[in-house]
Amino acid sequence: EVQLVESGGGLVKPGGSLRLSCAASGFTFSSYSMNWVRQAPGKGLEWVSSISSSSSYIYYADSVKGRFTISRDNAKNSLYLQMNSLRAEDTAVYYCARDPTSAPSAFDIWGQGTMVTVSS
Amino acid sequence: DIQMTQSPSTLSASVGDRVTITCRASQSISSWLAWYQQKPGKAPKLLIYKASSLESGVPSRFSGSGSGTEFTLTISSLQPDDFATYYCQQYNSYRRTFGQGTKVEIK
Repeated sequence: EVQLVESGGGLVKPGGSLRLSCAASGFTFSSYSMNWVRQAPGKGLEWVSSISSSSSYIYYADSVKGRFTISRDNAKNSLYLQMNSLRAEDTAVYYCARDPTSAPSAFDIWGQGTMVTVSS
Repeated sequence: DIQMTQSPSTLSASVGDRVTITCRASQSISSWLAWYQQKPGKAPKLLIYKASSLESGVPSRFSGSGSGTEFTLTISSLQPDDFATYYCQQYNSYRRTFGQGTKVEIK
């Protein structure tokens, strides 16, 4: 079964750091670009970051650029999001999602999400 | 970034109704548009890609149309399982953006 499972969310103080992980299974992880998308409580979806299959190309939303770092370990079938200098407005459910093609695509597979709460 | 605007924000409908949701892009995105369905507490589910292509396993009552800057999602006969929030997303570039969502409620 094709599956993405996020972990690493939790409660963190403003200015703190957190590292999210996304474990992939059921497909050849190293062949796909991957993404992080977030959703603040009661709000819509916001694309956060993308990374190509070989990590050659990385993109960030302006709202997280300079604070968040996306990375992947193809040997471990895992995607990561290092979040530093966290702000209250980063509070959200964070989803990892797969790009089914090498070009920008719709996201065909999503994880169940992990909640990040930034609060003192 | 390309801005995506959905209308309406909320839609009240009955089982069996034909429902149409509109999505407009701030600039031309050709047919690089997707539609997702999201239920409370769940991840979004891909319904339509490339404006009108139905994702595998999605019921044929869902259809998409449009190109350039104006797109529609149509549910031909609303079913109880379809009450959810729907989002459009452009993927004309890697900096993908979503519409604000349309909540389909029971009338």
